[in-house]
Amino acid sequence: EAQVTQNPRYLITVTGKKLTVTCSQNMNHEYMSWYRQDPGLGLRQIYYSMNVEATDKGDVPEGYKVSRKEKRNFPLILESPSPNQTSLYFCASSLYPPQGAYGYTFGSGTRLTVV
Amino acid sequence: QKEVEQNSGPLSVPEGAIASLNCTYSDRVSQSFFWYRQYSGKSPELIMSIYSNGDKEDGRFTAQLNKASQYVSLLIRDSQPSDSATYLCAVGGPGNTGKLIFGQGTTLQVKP
Repeated sequence: EAQVTQNPRYLITVTGKKLTVTCSQNMNHEYMSWYRQDPGLGLRQIYYSMNVEATDKGDVPEGYKVSRKEKRNFPLILESPSPNQTSLYFCASSLYPPQGAYGYTFGSGTRLTVV
Repeated sequence: QKEVEQNSGPLSVPEGAIASLNCTYSDRVSQSFFWYRQYSGKSPELIMSIYSNGDKEDGRFTAQLNKASQYVSLLIRDSQPSDSATYLCAVGGPGNTGKLIFGQGTTLQVKP
């Protein structure tokens, strides 16, 4: 089944403890992205990637890192999480530029709580 | 000013009515526009894309674009309770990158 898989689905962690949220797609998609969703603020783009080793900052990159060493994987790294990074995170991928007719396919989301 | 703005709602319509959802954007050079639907607790899914001024119809959904007014709308005809969801307007960034900017979403409630 074609899908974008995020892990974990739920995570509670403590301030300052490094964590990684994994994202993997099995559709050979070129484009991948990370968004966070907060009430009243909608989906905000953290980072996006056009291909392997090609990433760029979105609108809210502070406190996050990404890497794209293989086409299928796009992990999101929080080196020192803080409570303001408590949010619902979505990974997304697209074969073509997401500005095209097919848009992004989203994963199921990761709900992160930082205490 | 936010780059993509929507009224958060909720917008409540009776079953069978037309639901009208609106979105404005700030970047005059934007070329691609999208409507995603997100059910509660689920991930967003693409329902419509539009690139040219005018209307684009797909079943009960019609997207409307007015670049001069920097305005995008989504009409849902014969609204059904199953249409109750949050509708997210999105605008494509420049070039063939992965940049896609979302509004905060409008919650639609269709009452039987």
